[in-house]
Formats: sequence, structure tokens, C-alpha cells
Amino acid sequence: ETGVTQSPTHLIKTRGQQVTLRCSSQSGHNTVSWYQQALGQGPQFIFQYYREEENGRGNFPPRFSGLQFPNYSSELNVNALELDDSALYLCASSLGVGDTEAFFGQGTRLTVV
Amino acid sequence: GEDVEQSLFLSVREGDSSVINCTYTDSSSTYLYWYKQEPGAGLQLLTYIFSNMDMKQDQRLTVLLNKKDKHLSLRIADTQTGDSAIYFCAEITQSRTGGSYIPTFGRGTSLIVHP
Repeated sequence: ETGVTQSPTHLIKTRGQQVTLRCSSQSGHNTVSWYQQALGQGPQFIFQYYREEENGRGNFPPRFSGLQFPNYSSELNVNALELDDSALYLCASSLGVGDTEAFFGQGTRLTVV
Repeated sequence: GEDVEQSLFLSVREGDSSVINCTYTDSSSTYLYWYKQEPGAGLQLLTYIFSNMDMKQDQRLTVLLNKKDKHLSLRIADTQTGDSAIYFCAEITQSRTGGSYIPTFGRGTSLIVHP
């Protein structure tokens, strides 16, 4: 158990819809990163939040957006869902931006039909 | 751009050593990680090595880094059936603005340990 919890665990959405995924960081961690892991692939970095500000972004379109709250929990929002958005979405929290150890949640499995 | 390559499968007998290899392309990597992912689970950090190190040992795990060839390996001694999982190599590079560290993962190596 890493102390990082994600909800929901599974989700089915229709193409064109919007989805919000949630992540609760490990206690004391102020940095959260989100990843997309397609089937048979490694995780791809979406973005990172540090103290409520976006602090880095991977190669994802603007319809992927996020928020971090004062308690350092975080949301990932995806608008206008496409079939290719079907994946496992992972969040990871760490003590700081340069911290060497990030703790991952179990992930949310999103299926877009 | 960054690219991390791993072989997709490795099969070993219980008790043998496993060696999982990884190559990366970005010479400015600050550190490199090995993660383990079991079915239906998130990623578990196994170990990491700073880019200025050649080797790191942690109980049954040995990481070797050849910076000249941009080659990283993970050796698991006395491999057990519980080690069966997917192993991901990741390189961490600092963003151009210097404000964040961007990880790039390989596709993962599926380790199968049979009795």
C-alpha cells in the first residue's frame, strides 16, 4: 500500500463525453504527476502539479487538463473523449519536484466506447 | 527526443538470475529508475541510480549503468515466482525550463519465472 488512492477504479464512457479522475496523494506529498498507460505500453507522462500549479506537461492535447487542491489531492479531466483515450490512468505523488521516489496509485481503468 | 527501449519478454527458471536490459537516448538523464508492475496494480519503485554512478546494489537487485553506451540493466539474483511481473525502465530528464523532471518509460519487460 502506497497511501496514494485513485477513484474510481473502473469507468466506462462514451466517445465525446467528459471524464474526471481523482487522486489522493500520500500524506505530506505536494507534487502529483499523472500518466496514461495504454495496453501493452509503458506509462506516458501527461502532466505534473506542484503546490497547485502545473509544473510540466507531456505531449498531450489541451483537452487533458488537471487541478491540484490545497490539500494536494488532484483531478485529471479529459474532454471530448476519443476511443484512443481508453487506458489505465495512473497518478503518482512525491515529496517535491526533484524527489527521487514517487508513489503510484492503483490506477483508474477508463474504457471509451 | 527521448526514447527508452526494452526487450518485451524474459523467461527464467526459479533460482536463476534474471537480467533485464534497457537502452535510452537522452544523455542528459539525471537518474534512471526500475519499476515493477504486477497485474492490475500500479507501479512499484524497485530502485534508481543517479546518472553519475556505475552500479548500485540493493539486496537481490543490482543495477548497472553504462553511460557511454546509454545502457542500463537490472539483475535479480535468485529469482522467485513472486518476481513474475512487468519491469519498466524509466529515464528522468529535467525540462528545458528546469522546473520539472520529466520521466520517459520503456514499454516494459514481462518477466516469467517458472519452477
